[in-house]
Amino acid sequence: ETGVTQTPRHLVMGMTNKKSLKCEQHLGHNAMYWYKQSAKKPLELMFVYNFKEQTENNSVPSRFSPECPNSSHLFLHLHTLQPEDSALYLCASSWDSSSYNEQFFGPGTRLTVL
Amino acid sequence: AQSVAQPEDQVNVAEGNPLTVKCTYSVSGNPYLFWYVQYPNRGLQFLLKYITGDNLVKGSYGFEAEFNKSQTSFHLKKPSALVSDSALYFCAVRDGTSGSARQLTFGSGTQLTVLP
Repeated sequence: ETGVTQTPRHLVMGMTNKKSLKCEQHLGHNAMYWYKQSAKKPLELMFVYNFKEQTENNSVPSRFSPECPNSSHLFLHLHTLQPEDSALYLCASSWDSSSYNEQFFGPGTRLTVL
Repeated sequence: AQSVAQPEDQVNVAEGNPLTVKCTYSVSGNPYLFWYVQYPNRGLQFLLKYITGDNLVKGSYGFEAEFNKSQTSFHLKKPSALVSDSALYFCAVRDGTSGSARQLTFGSGTQLTVLP
């Protein structure tokens, strides 16, 4: 997980709050990903960016809004979340999104929505 | 469509014994298969992958996995388990067929506990 950092590591927010999650990769990769990890469920891919262009939105509700200003940074803007959105949000990067290269994950942000 | 099944939620093994964590997959094209490990409060770490070539793939920390096309399996193995191997293990697959835009699909994970 070294090479991909995420901030904050923990976040508690109310349903009316607006907050943002940040991810930064220092690996020179061109693709970045947001995943949601809930207990007892497989990882859910949320968004994919390849060379700063969004290439996949996996039917994610609009209360989650991604932003990728450059290949090294990825944000997830949160607005009017629901308690069921509480989960571990993982960022990952890889050389590019169409290759067979493995993904490198950050440590995640543990989000609790009250 | 592509999918991954990890039939065991929990695997317990004694330290020093061999361990196996099972994974079966379904994909319409050529499978690219991956194993990741997750320690508590950490992100996923890459262990190994099968893309093509030898069916037996060796990875980090002494782990290996065998690709079996006829059984559509990619079981993770280690000859001698360590207590420090205790973690959550994920198998993942993607369609490696040229032009496929499908991303990784992960299994639900297997919690490995190595008992001292």
